[in-house]
Amino acid sequence: DIQMTQSPSSLSASVGDRVTITCRASQSISSYLNWYQQKPGKAPKLLIYAASSLQSGVPSRFSGSGSGTDFTLTISSLQPEDFATYYCQQSYSTLVTFGQGTKLEIK
Amino acid sequence: QVQLVESGGGLVKPGGSLRLSCAASGFTFSDYYMSWIRQAPGKGLEWVSYISSSGSTIYYADSVKGRFTISRDNAKNSLYLQMNSLRAEDTAVYYCARPQGGYDEDAFDIWGQGTMVTVSS
Repeated sequence: DIQMTQSPSSLSASVGDRVTITCRASQSISSYLNWYQQKPGKAPKLLIYAASSLQSGVPSRFSGSGSGTDFTLTISSLQPEDFATYYCQQSYSTLVTFGQGTKLEIK
Repeated sequence: QVQLVESGGGLVKPGGSLRLSCAASGFTFSDYYMSWIRQAPGKGLEWVSYISSSGSTIYYADSVKGRFTISRDNAKNSLYLQMNSLRAEDTAVYYCARPQGGYDEDAFDIWGQGTMVTVSS
């Protein structure tokens, strides 16, 4: 199976900060990398698909980049509603795998 | 609107069985692969199983292979997960999810609200 490793596991930041979360795959996955946001008690929400494509309805402060094994999710200016847990997910293999999550907390 | 609604969760003893259902609406269900994904309390997301649009191709995570069976009824716009030989480590919220482009290489753009399965004596 393809292992997905996110860093950091948790992050404290302030409203207005620029934040970057990293995801590394154990083998090349081309651009088959997706990012989700999850708030407590809710289902995950798709933010970015195919490494860098912004899902419809998602604010433009969210962006994704990378290919091969290294990927990043960037939030350009944190808003109060962005404090949540973020997951990367590879869809290169049908045996889908997720990163362990990054919890973004208010400083 | 496009919607997935899970049902069938509950409390079951170790070794027991449970069948989850996911009712789809607002899109052509028979055009899409479908998946089950779970999340143990306080933990991350774990993919469980995938089924092709026709039901002819199926994949499972190693952790559930041989115990869980995914199926679908396109006439009823429904997805199922039969869970046998349940273990404490199967305790989780179970989500059904739709891949955006209909295939297994796509991101999951539609998720249900989840149904809780608790395995405990």
